[in-house]
Amino acid sequence: GAVVSQHPSRVICKSGTSVKIECRSLDFQATTMFWYRQFPKQSLMLMATSNEGSKATYEQGVEKDKFLINHASLTLSTLTVTSAHPEDSSFYICSASDRAYGYTFGSGTRLTVV
Amino acid sequence: AQSVSQHNHHVILSEAASLELGCNYSYGGTVNLFWYVQYPGQHLQLLLKYFSGDPLVKGIKGFEAEFIKSKFSFNLRKPSVQWSDTAEYFCGMFSGGYNKLIFGAGTRLAVHP
Repeated sequence: GAVVSQHPSRVICKSGTSVKIECRSLDFQATTMFWYRQFPKQSLMLMATSNEGSKATYEQGVEKDKFLINHASLTLSTLTVTSAHPEDSSFYICSASDRAYGYTFGSGTRLTVV
Repeated sequence: AQSVSQHNHHVILSEAASLELGCNYSYGGTVNLFWYVQYPGQHLQLLLKYFSGDPLVKGIKGFEAEFIKSKFSFNLRKPSVQWSDTAEYFCGMFSGGYNKLIFGAGTRLAVHP
């Protein structure tokens, strides 16, 4: 089946630094990837839609300068949280589209900003 | 605008009870519908999906869902739940018009032995 690898699974960073999260589709090509944020005991909030070779489409209320998304190849999308603050601490999840399997999710990244 | 609603936020059942989780969506065009499960401490896994064709979709682990277009619904069912079904369940919708995959608020299911 389709596999999406997300790295790192956990990261702790200091306030003011930047963190990059990678999302890779391992055995299929994904022209579209989605980035979500999940707060404790809540649903997945769509942050942005990442399209290979073009700019990401951000949801209302999501700061594009703070959450930089790059989808440079058909198998890799990255989310960079810039100048992280404690309120950015959350669980970030990516999803990649594969026509045969639907949407496959990465295992998520728990970001803690101290 | 598109949206997904899950009406049951918390469901508690005993083993062998039947399960039905509600999911309604709001979108006037063609949609793809999904149910995902998230077991404690794990990532989301696809239970089943509906793209087109037979509106009764069978998924893994004995789950099924029925797409009723007139009701904009895609309810998840299982005739007899097990303790291992304890998890959070998310209904998702993808619409080509918006090119987004969005989810309902989730339903937390607890199955007691």
